[in-house]
Amino acid sequence: NAGVTQTPKFQVLKTGQSMTLQCAQDMNHNSMYWYRQDPGMGLRLIYYSASEGTTDKGEVPNGYNVSRLNKREFSLRLESAAPSQTSVYFCASSGRLNTGELFFGEGSRLTVL
Amino acid sequence: AQTVTQSQPEMSVQEAETVTLSCTYDTSESDYYLFWYKQPPSRQMILVIRQEAYKQQNATENRFSVNFQKAAKSFSLKISDSQLGDAAMYFCAYRARRGGSEKLVFGKGTKLTVNP
Repeated sequence: NAGVTQTPKFQVLKTGQSMTLQCAQDMNHNSMYWYRQDPGMGLRLIYYSASEGTTDKGEVPNGYNVSRLNKREFSLRLESAAPSQTSVYFCASSGRLNTGELFFGEGSRLTVL
Repeated sequence: AQTVTQSQPEMSVQEAETVTLSCTYDTSESDYYLFWYKQPPSRQMILVIRQEAYKQQNATENRFSVNFQKAAKSFSLKISDSQLGDAAMYFCAYRARRGGSEKLVFGKGTKLTVNP
């Protein structure tokens, strides 16, 4: 059972380049999330999607866009990457409050030069 | 807005000893979840333990237990008989229990070192 799958695992970009982080879950979850993790900051929410067709901003949305392509997939796009976006990105999903927890992907390390 | 505070950026413990990690949170909700997640060097986020706010009994999972003080908004994690594999970042997290799409709010984490 794959759970939450993120791609790519690692990426190096130059300032101004664009890229998309892909995320897919196979648990039939309604809600999906994108977090970023920086040293000493914990995990901060970028965007989330409560259900297919809806997206909402989190704590740190500037410089990012998201697409909830269908129930399974939730992508995160950096249109013009900046060094401040160097971080580890996590995708997560959750079902309807059965256990309350979020299930996380393995993370994607992004470096912007 | 809900906030989660972990006041100990780093902790250390001797193998086989007991260590307690602290967490406080702020919320106006009455029904919510609290979690402790472990992040080893592999970067994977692993759920350690879950507490539902309406339950008075403290959650336990093998060597891991919590001290949940709802009135004080405190949620500490106790690790007994510490093992080398317990070395990791530990994150306390809060989630309101409403519509099923609520966000998970994290503390900044505590880095636990286990000394042999």
